[in-house]
Amino acid sequence: DVKVTQSSRYLVKRTGEKVFLECVQDMDHENMFWYRQDPGLGLRLIYFSYDVKMKEKGDIPEGYSVSREKKERFSLILESASTNQTSMYLCASSLEAGGFLGDEQFFGPGTRLTVL
Amino acid sequence: GEDVEQSLFLSVREGDSSVINCTYTDSSSTYLYWYKQEPGAGLQLLTYIFSNMDMKQDQRLTVLLNKKDKHLSLRIADTQTGDSAIYFCAEGTPFGGSQGNLIFGKGTKLSVKP
Repeated sequence: DVKVTQSSRYLVKRTGEKVFLECVQDMDHENMFWYRQDPGLGLRLIYFSYDVKMKEKGDIPEGYSVSREKKERFSLILESASTNQTSMYLCASSLEAGGFLGDEQFFGPGTRLTVL
Repeated sequence: GEDVEQSLFLSVREGDSSVINCTYTDSSSTYLYWYKQEPGAGLQLLTYIFSNMDMKQDQRLTVLLNKKDKHLSLRIADTQTGDSAIYFCAEGTPFGGSQGNLIFGKGTKLSVKP
């Protein structure tokens, strides 16, 4: 079974703090993704990575950065947390395009971040 | 750019059929997916269909694809209270050197009344 784990289920931080959200997958997947999910807005892609040390901006990268030093780990960093970054953050991974299920993504359980 | 649209809410009675609809814009999509998100959890793949198929059936689930109209639907027969969740439609749009991205709809919240 593919397993995608996220370091925290719930997190409360103060405005201005630096926040690290960690994601680990155990199936040697090439691609990893960070989304945020907000009511009425669905999933929005923040950043993705298709290889170690490679990263690309998604639809809403402002205020975020990422790090992929190892294949299994993809970190999302909020340099200076703000209240509008209060959200559910979902990490996902996928094999690589062209595999049996092509682009199927496997999701972690999510981290609900509250910024006060 | 690519877009996936679906209605935000659907309410049905237990035992009825549910039909969740989705439209997409990218005709080059290879795969189309339905994901389910239960309260407080991440997304789980429910079913998928290749773009060269019209229909796929899997127990209580039926997926219909109309490529001409770029319309995808998910039918859940004999809907149960445990089917209450948010259902996301997604299309696979491989491109360039960063393949593997999915475009998600905003999700349809299905409420099942006893």
